[in-house]
Amino acid sequence: SQQGEEDPQALSIQEGENATMNCSYKTSINNLQWYRQNSGRGLVHLILIRSNEREKHSGRLRVTLDTSKKSSSLLITASRAADTASYFCASTYYGNNRLAFGKGNQVVVIP
Amino acid sequence: DTGVSQDPRHKITKRGQNVTFRCDPISEHNRLYWYRQTLGQGPEFLTYFQNEAQLEKSRLLSDRFSAERPKGSFSTLEIQRTEQGDSAMYLCASSLGGAGVGYNEQFFGPGTRLTVL
Repeated sequence: SQQGEEDPQALSIQEGENATMNCSYKTSINNLQWYRQNSGRGLVHLILIRSNEREKHSGRLRVTLDTSKKSSSLLITASRAADTASYFCASTYYGNNRLAFGKGNQVVVIP
Repeated sequence: DTGVSQDPRHKITKRGQNVTFRCDPISEHNRLYWYRQTLGQGPEFLTYFQNEAQLEKSRLLSDRFSAERPKGSFSTLEIQRTEQGDSAMYLCASSLGGAGVGYNEQFFGPGTRLTVL
């Protein structure tokens, strides 16, 4: 089964608000990566967090990792209309280089 | 642009035909991956190369699929005797294998959208 399953929710928020989405996985991971995908287009790499890290920041993005709960969250602060996209988490686990993706979270930011 | 590139971007073919896609990774990346994505789903892993060696293959990669990376640079993915179920976006990614900051981040190309009629 696939690792990395986002909470099956679609978010619709106003521009300027924060957006939070969650991801869970089933077994021990090596790292977890978040991606953004605009409608029908390629995946843009956002951030990678390693299994020994608990939090990382990149611009308006904040990612947390809780290995005891096997979960990760992505926070987008001060959202913009251009943040409208699907967001995927994907994990790799030890001894394996493949990314296992969830189904993605649809985020719509209303101007 | 020094990102991952894929060609063609779109391919329409008739059932039973063969198709071949090409991926050019980021030049210094030694690892190359192929994924397949269908509508409303996350990408699914197909296969992985380190340099020219194909090290992992998913059970999704039936015997109609073959991938090569002959010189450890670009890669091709061929689908023989295409079926309607092969219709999907085929994504290529590359990464730099190793430890430390910047390693193992997989960067994706724009994908090749295949439609089998």
